[in-house]
Amino acid sequence: NAGVTQTPKFRVLKTGQSMTLLCAQDMNHEYMYWYRQDPGMGLRLIHYSVGEGTTAKGEVPDGYNVSRLKKQNFLLGLESAAPSQTSVYFCASRGTGTGELFFGEGSRLTVL
Amino acid sequence: AQRVTQPEKLLSVFKGAPVELKCNYSYSGSPELFWYVQYSRQRLQLLLRHISRESIKGFTADLNKGETSFHLKKPFAQEEDSAMYYCALNTGGFKTIFGAGTRLFVKA
Repeated sequence: NAGVTQTPKFRVLKTGQSMTLLCAQDMNHEYMYWYRQDPGMGLRLIHYSVGEGTTAKGEVPDGYNVSRLKKQNFLLGLESAAPSQTSVYFCASRGTGTGELFFGEGSRLTVL
Repeated sequence: AQRVTQPEKLLSVFKGAPVELKCNYSYSGSPELFWYVQYSRQRLQLLLRHISRESIKGFTADLNKGETSFHLKKPFAQEEDSAMYYCALNTGGFKTIFGAGTRLFVKA
């Protein structure tokens, strides 16, 4: 049982490049989330989805886009990466009957 | 505004000493509060939630609505408790917001 899987785990980008982070969950969860983790700032919500085909903005959505074409997948895109987007990104999911979040292992992104 | 505050970025205690990680929240409705833990090289995982009122790995946390607090406590810290701890607030909707985290370091 893989739970929540994120790919890639590490990536280095140059300013202006684009990339997509993929999150996949095999728990049939309705809700999926993308957070970024920065020292001293904890986890901040970027975007989230409450079901297939739906997305919504979180606390820090600027510079990111997301898509939820399939229930099990939640993609986070950076169209034009900036050094301020250097961070560790976490995907999480949860079912409708519980508040517990299940996290992926994280993806470390460095933008030069 | 909904907010979770963890005032200590770093907490260092000796093995066997009591430990308390503070968490205060701001929310006008009925909150659902959690503590998540991230051990070195592991993913974030749920430690405990206020609804279940359980003790996990010797940790407990009591919701105090009057003080809007949900402090995490353990009477005798162990070296394996060294980790990053996050307090989180679910406001009953879809979003869960997190505090800045407290790094606990338990010294031998």
